[in-house]
Amino acid sequence: EVQLVESGGGLVQPGRSLRLSCAASGFTFDDYTMHWVRQAPGKGLEWVSSIGWTSVSIDYADAVRGRFTTSRDNAKKSLYLEMNSLRTEDTALYYCAKDNRRLYKSNGMDVWGQGTTVTVSS
Amino acid sequence: QAVVTQEPSLSVSPGGTVTLTCASSAGPVTSGHSPYWIQQKPGQAPRTLIYDTSNKHSWTPVRFSGSLVGGKAALTLSGAQPEDEADYYCLLPSNGARPVFGGGTRLTVL
Repeated sequence: EVQLVESGGGLVQPGRSLRLSCAASGFTFDDYTMHWVRQAPGKGLEWVSSIGWTSVSIDYADAVRGRFTTSRDNAKKSLYLEMNSLRTEDTALYYCAKDNRRLYKSNGMDVWGQGTTVTVSS
Repeated sequence: QAVVTQEPSLSVSPGGTVTLTCASSAGPVTSGHSPYWIQQKPGQAPRTLIYDTSNKHSWTPVRFSGSLVGGKAALTLSGAQPEDEADYYCLLPSNGARPVFGGGTRLTVL
């Protein structure tokens, strides 16, 4: 069974940093592009970042570029999101998601984790 | 970047049929956009129902189907069940371009 389990969320002050993790199991992690998607309270889904299976291709939404860094460790089957200079508008539930296509960056997601909550507040 | 538009809310009677649509400000939605449909029930994580316009995952109930209609992506629910009450999001990944989600449609079954 494909599983994605996020962790690392919490309450943080504006301007501070936080690192999210996503542990993957049940599939060949290093064959798939992975994604971060967030959902602000009461709002819709917003794509945050994608990272290809070799980490060569990494892309970010304009709202987070320059502040967030996505990485992965294929040996540990883990995905990470380093969030710096956090703003109140970054408050959201952060999901990691697996790409639908093997060895192809389709940017469509098929399996989602349960999410981890990030609250940015003073 | 294109804006993806969905109906904010729709309702359907139990056993009835409803179609949700997804439009792009950049022009007609085509198979090249590879539209996805994602269901999110209250308090739950998203779950992808449809990919590449009309393909279903193993977990997708047969009453859901995807298509292209009048330049839009469409999700049709035939024989609505109370458990289908949820938010539904359209995603246009456009084959590797930056993925764009629609604002979502809140579907009420009553």
